[in-house]
This record gives sequence, structure tokens and C-alpha cells, in this order.
Amino acid sequence: EVHLVESGGGLVQPGGSLRLSCAASGFTFSNYNMNWVRQAPGKGLEWVSFISNNGATIYYADSVKGRFTISRDNAKNSLYLQMNSLRAEDTAVYYCARLVNFDYWGQGTLVTVSS
Amino acid sequence: EIVLTQSPATLSLSPGERATLSCRASQSVSTFLAWYQQKPGQAPRLLIYDASNRATGIPARFSGSGSGTDFTLTISSLEPEDFADYYCHHHSNWPLTFGGGTKVEIK
Repeated sequence: EVHLVESGGGLVQPGGSLRLSCAASGFTFSNYNMNWVRQAPGKGLEWVSFISNNGATIYYADSVKGRFTISRDNAKNSLYLQMNSLRAEDTAVYYCARLVNFDYWGQGTLVTVSS
Repeated sequence: EIVLTQSPATLSLSPGERATLSCRASQSVSTFLAWYQQKPGQAPRLLIYDASNRATGIPARFSGSGSGTDFTLTISSLEPEDFADYYCHHHSNWPLTFGGGTKVEIK
């Protein structure tokens, strides 16, 4: 059974940094493209970033470009999101999701940016 | 960027009724469109991929149709567990985007 488990969320001050992790199990992680998707409190879904199965291709939403970095470690079956220069508008639940049709999602980790 | 517009924003129906949700794209996405269901406090769940294919384990009362710019998610007969938020999403090009959502609520 496919499992995706996010961690690393928390409260951070504006301008601060946070690193999210997503641990994958139940499938061959190195064969699959992965994404981060976020949802601000009470709002809709927003795609954040994509990384191909081998890490060679990466895309970002304009809202996070230059501040966030996606990466993966296939040996550890893990996906990461390094978030720098955080803003109040980055406050959201962050989900990792498999493939570009997001066939499986983690339970999410909450990031709160506030002073 | 392709904008996806969902309508209506809220759909008030009774159990057993038919629900018809619309998603319109600002330009063609071919059939690279998916639908998700989300309940409060839960992650979204894939219902339909490639416009009309049901995901694994999704009941037959859920169906998707359309291509190009106009898409529809139909729930043939609402069950109590179907009252939730629904989102469409395209993966035709970058950036990937979602519609604003339709809330299906109990009338």
C-alpha cells in the first residue's frame, strides 16, 4: 500500500526557513515523479513544485520560485522542500503528492509563518 | 497560465439526487484533467484522471466527461459520504493549476 508521510512543519517567523520531508513507502519511489501542493487555511489547492523521478527536471510555481528548493533522495525514499525567506502568505498545509495527476497524497504538514 | 473555473461554487442537494459539477479551462487542456474530493481535515483524494477514468476504488456513481476546455464531474446519486469539496486540476502544461472548488452541501 502506498504511503506518503510529511514532516517538518511548524511555526516560523517571517524571513525564516524550514525544511519539509516526505517519506514514501509501498512503491518504487525512484520510478515516480513527485510534487508538493499546499492549501492555505480555508482556501483552495495550489501546486508548489515538481521533481522528476531522477531529479533532473524541476519546476516551481512563480509564487515560490527563488525561495523554495525541491529535492529528493531515492536511496532514502524521501522528498524534500527547503523553504527560505518565508512570508505570511506561505502559511498552509503542505502535501506531497505522487505523479502529475496526484494519485496519492500524504496527510499534510502545517507551516505557519507568523511573528 | 491556464485558469480553471469551477461552477457552481456551492451545490445544495439532497441524498439520492444527481450532482453535476463543471470545470472550464481558459485554453485547451486536451484530456489532461483530474477531479479530487476533499473532506474537512483530510487530504484530497483522486476520483477521476484523464478526464473520464475512475481512480482505483472509486464507486461507479462518479463519472467524468469532457475534453478541451469543458469538463463535467457527475455523481449519479448522492450518498451521505459524498458531501464534500471537489476540485479539478490540469496537468497539460506548466504551471499546474487547480480550480477554485465546488462545495457540495446537504440541502
